[in-house]
Amino acid sequence: AQSVSQHNHHVILSEAASLELGCNYSYGGTVNLFWYVQYPGQHLQLLLKYFSGDPLVKGIKGFEAEFIKSKFSFNLRKPSVQWSDTAEYFCAVNLYTGANNLFFGTGTRLTVIP
Amino acid sequence: NAGVTQTPKFRVLKTGQSMTLLCAQDMNHEYMYWYRQDPGMGLRLIHYSVGEGTTAKGEVPDGYNVSRLKKQNFLLGLESAAPSQTSVYFCASSSEREVRETQYFGPGTRLLVL
Repeated sequence: AQSVSQHNHHVILSEAASLELGCNYSYGGTVNLFWYVQYPGQHLQLLLKYFSGDPLVKGIKGFEAEFIKSKFSFNLRKPSVQWSDTAEYFCAVNLYTGANNLFFGTGTRLTVIP
Repeated sequence: NAGVTQTPKFRVLKTGQSMTLLCAQDMNHEYMYWYRQDPGMGLRLIHYSVGEGTTAKGEVPDGYNVSRLKKQNFLLGLESAAPSQTSVYFCASSSEREVRETQYFGPGTRLLVL
């Protein structure tokens, strides 16, 4: 079955620590990959996306993600987190199958301690 | 430009009651979506629409109906609410021109079914 996995359910870091959140997907064909963020009490916002080309993509607020096709992974990274990065992070995938339907991972809650 | 708005923000229902959630977007988007977000399960697609007058089932459509009578509005109906439908509901939209690209999300509706 097609799926998107985020193995880290809750990550707690101190400010200035480095962050890496894992995302793996199980689709065999061409995919588009996304990371969305949901700050407390707010709606989902796009952090970054990958369609093709350079597998290292940069997003807003200093986030980046690397697409590794051989590992079916799209991990999110940030070299130095801030308290304001406390949020829930969702990896999502859509397929080249017509409608723009996203399949989401279960999310990773990030807590940054000042 | 309000983006995607949802009405109401919060609602409590008794089992068996009906209600309609309204989603409105002012970006002239063709595609609209309804998701539900449950703890530990990420977002799951309920129904979607690829244009005015058209709807299609997503991953978890049972117990819900939708209508897209106007391009800017996408309604989600619960005919007979059940406790299993307690969730946070998110609406999203995307441009046909940007198919397979960014979905823009609304602020969510919290529904509690007793």
